[in-house]
Amino acid sequence: EAQLVESGGGPVKPGGSLRLSCTVSGYNFEDAWFSWVRQAPGKGLEWVGRIRRKADGGTTDCAPPVKGRFTVSRDDSKSTLYLQMDSLKTEDTAVYYCTSGLQEWGQGTLVTVSS
Amino acid sequence: DIQMTQSPSSLSASVGDRVTITCRASQNIGTYLNWYQQKPGNAPKLLIYSASNLLGGVPPRFSGSGSGTDFTLTISSLQPEDFATYYCQQSHSTFGQGTKVEVK
Repeated sequence: EAQLVESGGGPVKPGGSLRLSCTVSGYNFEDAWFSWVRQAPGKGLEWVGRIRRKADGGTTDCAPPVKGRFTVSRDDSKSTLYLQMDSLKTEDTAVYYCTSGLQEWGQGTLVTVSS
Repeated sequence: DIQMTQSPSSLSASVGDRVTITCRASQNIGTYLNWYQQKPGNAPKLLIYSASNLLGGVPPRFSGSGSGTDFTLTISSLQPEDFATYYCQQSHSTFGQGTKVEVK
């Protein structure tokens, strides 16, 4: 059974940076696309970004609100997905999930951006 | 960027009711459409993938249909455990705004 475990969340000041990790086990990591999804308190799900598998170019895309500030990357040798978040804003406060895009989701990690 | 418009944003229903939620894409997305159920404090749970394929273990009262720009999630007979929020998503991309199914 696949397990996705996020880490790296926590409090950060506006303008700061944070790197989230998502370690995947029990899953064919290198053959999968992955996405980051976030959910602000009391709000809906928001897609943040995705990374394709290397066979599809390994390229990334991010949603307009985070484009230029967030970067998705992967290390297939470690079965780990990353989300580098720079120039953080208060509106980036949310629970961040990693997902295979299907039924595999992590438990989420909370990022709180506040002065 | 493709936008996903989901409706209604909320609905009230009773156990046994037939419930229909619609999702419209701003461009043709073929059948790259998933449906999720989310309950408070939990990660989303996949119900339907590729517009109409029921994930193994999901009750057959759930069904999905559509292609191109218009999609539908139907719950044929609402059960107590189905009160939740439902989201459509273009695969690995934008979500709809969500539909909260509440007790009437």
